[in-house]
Amino acid sequence: QKEVEQNSGPLSVPEGAIASLNCTYSDRGSQSFFWYRQYSGKSPELIMSIYSNGDKEDGRFTAQLNKASQYVSLLIRDSQPSDSATYLCAVNWNDYKLSFGAGTTVTVRA
Amino acid sequence: ETGVTQTPRHLVMGMTNKKSLKCEQHLGHNAMYWYKQSAKKPLELMFVYNFKEQTENNSVPSRFSPECPNSSHLFLHLHTLQPEDSALYLCASSTETGSGEQYFGPGTRLTVT
Repeated sequence: QKEVEQNSGPLSVPEGAIASLNCTYSDRGSQSFFWYRQYSGKSPELIMSIYSNGDKEDGRFTAQLNKASQYVSLLIRDSQPSDSATYLCAVNWNDYKLSFGAGTTVTVRA
Repeated sequence: ETGVTQTPRHLVMGMTNKKSLKCEQHLGHNAMYWYKQSAKKPLELMFVYNFKEQTENNSVPSRFSPECPNSSHLFLHLHTLQPEDSALYLCASSTETGSGEQYFGPGTRLTVT
């Protein structure tokens, strides 16, 4: 069974700190990886995609992928109260279906 | 949010009712999806359409019936639902089937009484 696992949180960080979110997946055949942000009462919004091992940076966000360890992470630098949301990890399998983790809730304390 | 629209935003229905959810995408995408989101659970893929042809039915009960008349519109027809079907129903679209870069509508919050 293909699974995507995330710590549910809540992850509480002070404003200006780094928030670190982790995600593991069960199938080595996974092709691509995504992070979605979902504010309370809103729908998911794509914030990062990563397709190869290593780091990918976009503004204050860095996605990290390690296919050998079946691990993908998201770092949020200089966290702001507006970053308070649930972050969903999503993985594309060989059959191209997107599977989501249950999400990690992040709270940034002002 | 305006790229993919959904109506209604909220729906309360009895178990014997028939209702429909509507989704429209203005992004020129070819693939459209229905997802179910329940509290504290991962998003569950229900149906996938590519160029208005259904390519995936993820073992969804027959009380949920999708319809895709063209690549911009997607419906989910509901009948004889159960209280456990209460959830947020999300429509999404992407340039092609299998793309993980999906754009979501605002969702329909469904309550079955």
